[in-house]
Amino acid sequence: GQNIDQPTEMTATEGAIVQINCTYQTSGFNGLFWYQQHAGEAPTFLSYNVLDGLEEKGRFSSFLSRSKGYSYLLLKELQMKDSASYLCAVANQAGTALIFGKGTTLSVSS
Amino acid sequence: DTAVSQTPKYLVTQMGNDKSIKCEQNLGHDTMYWYKQDSKKFLKIMFSYNNKELIINETVPNRFSPKSPDKAHLNLHINSLELGDSAVYFCASSQEPQGATDTQYFGPGTRLTVL
Repeated sequence: GQNIDQPTEMTATEGAIVQINCTYQTSGFNGLFWYQQHAGEAPTFLSYNVLDGLEEKGRFSSFLSRSKGYSYLLLKELQMKDSASYLCAVANQAGTALIFGKGTTLSVSS
Repeated sequence: DTAVSQTPKYLVTQMGNDKSIKCEQNLGHDTMYWYKQDSKKFLKIMFSYNNKELIINETVPNRFSPKSPDKAHLNLHINSLELGDSAVYFCASSQEPQGATDTQYFGPGTRLTVL
């Protein structure tokens, strides 16, 4: 089966750095996605990791360790607009769809 | 130019009614999906279609019937609506049928409330 765990809520202040962790247990592995979802809006793609290591994209970075079943999303220089839910997702066994974690709601305060 | 569009955005209806939600994508993608997001924000795959053919049906009650008239459209029809069907339904699309390795683009969602 598939199991994805991430913290339910996190808080941080503007300008800070926050790391959102995700652990997963899957029958197979085809890569891991991070999506951002603002309240009342659709999820939007942030990153995709299929190999171990760090992928950097502006203020956001995503890390993957396949041997540990672990990923994190790193957000630097936090802004108020980063307040959102961050969804970790991995493939189902057939590789035909994504299984999402329950999401981490990040609140950024001034 | 909306990439993935859904109608309606809000849907309020009584238990027992039948309703449909429409989805269209203008990205030229081959694969479309329906997801359900419950009140706890848990996003769960319901169906996946590739070139009008069903790929995934994730143990969804047969009151839910997806229909894909062409690869740009995937509609969701729900019969005999129940209170537990209240949720936000998201349509999404991706280029490849292996949605696990390809970025998915989501529509704005349809908030369904069953009274």
